[in-house]
Order: sequence, then structure tokens, then C-alpha cells
Amino acid sequence: GAGVSQSPSNKVTEKGKDVELRCDPISGHTALYWYRQSLGQGLEFLIYFQGNSAPDKSGLPSDRFSAERTGGSVSTLTIQRTQQEDSAVYLCASSTQPGSANEKLFFGSGTQLSVL
Amino acid sequence: GDSVTQMEGPVTLSEEAFLTINCTYTATGYPSLFWYVQYPGEGLQLLLKATKADDKGSNKGFEATYRKETTSFHLEKGSVQVSDSAVYFCALSEKTGGFKTIFGAGTRLFVKA
Repeated sequence: GAGVSQSPSNKVTEKGKDVELRCDPISGHTALYWYRQSLGQGLEFLIYFQGNSAPDKSGLPSDRFSAERTGGSVSTLTIQRTQQEDSAVYLCASSTQPGSANEKLFFGSGTQLSVL
Repeated sequence: GDSVTQMEGPVTLSEEAFLTINCTYTATGYPSLFWYVQYPGEGLQLLLKATKADDKGSNKGFEATYRKETTSFHLEKGSVQVSDSAVYFCALSEKTGGFKTIFGAGTRLFVKA
């Protein structure tokens, strides 16, 4: 597609429920990143994919968080048993040159998650 | 580990004022440095970058110089416009850091007419 697409744009859920957030990267981009942006906070790195594998999961805050990527394209971030502190904007980005000096991230518009 | 520290906001300026947003970093190797901008209602987008010491990145009247001796990458603009109102993020990317881009907390800029 023309840009990174994320869905849903907004998600309101009840505490304890599971949610799935989806990211469609730019076609041909091999690297995919998930970040979290909490109110008043910066971007917190969650996980990085190169193709379908995730060499860096260091940012996932707990074992309630997981992510997968299939076909080297679409990625899903799953949060199980959501808590109120999970409320944030979840951003997805993709790039063609991970770790290179010229890497440029292309971001989606994010999913605003609200846990009541 | 690697980190990025930038000045807290919000920063409020009048149109045509000079802008500086400070950014310093900590890295084990030789990172590339970036400024990303998030305009109201839009996604983050790359503003400028510098890939080695003493490089100057520039775009849309904004500039930042990669200073290895002070581990800094301050963002400057000589004359801001109302349309520059946004949140600005300083970031670094380092190959030895696991291929992830690390961002600062962001600085919100308000420009008054």
C-alpha cells in the first residue's frame, strides 16, 4: 500500500479482555517495529521484526504482550488480559534498511487503546 | 544501554522567533541521529538525519549538527511559523543496538501568531 496502515484506529475495551492490533507495512519493507506512546511519554520500543522473525523482543513489557508477523507482511500485536496501564497509542513502523545509517522509519497513524 | 534525552516541553514561541530544542544521547558505538516530527492529527515522519560526526541534517528550514564531542544533536530553526507547531522527537539508530531506533520523550512546540 501507499503507507503503513493500522487498525483499528481506536479500541475501547474492558479490563481483563484480550485485544489484537493490526499493522500492514509498506509493501516490500522487510523491517517492522512496534512502539507504544503513553500520554506525556516518549515512544517506547516494544518489538522488532526482520521478515517473520523477531530478533529483538526486549521491549515487550510483560508476557501478556505478544506479536507475530506472517508472510513478511502483516503483523498482529496481541495484549492478553488488558490492564488500565496498557492504555496508550500503539504505533507501527516499517523500513527497508534496518540498522543501516540511512534507515528511515515510516509510521502508521497508530491505534489508540483505552482500557476501562 | 543507549538512550536519548531531550528538553522538556512545552516550548511556546511567537512567530519568527528562533528555536532550539536540545537533544543529547548515550550510545556505545556510532549511531545515526534523527529528528522526527508529529504534526497534530498526523503520524510521525522523518524531519532530518545525520549519519556521522559533524554532519548537518537540514529540512524545511530546520537544522541539526551531529556533535560527537558533546554527544548532542540540537534542533534549530531561525524563524518559526505557526505551521511548525508539533511534537518533535530526537532519535538514534545503532546497528550494534539490535537494529532498533530509540526515541526521546518528545518536545511539544506551540508557535503563536
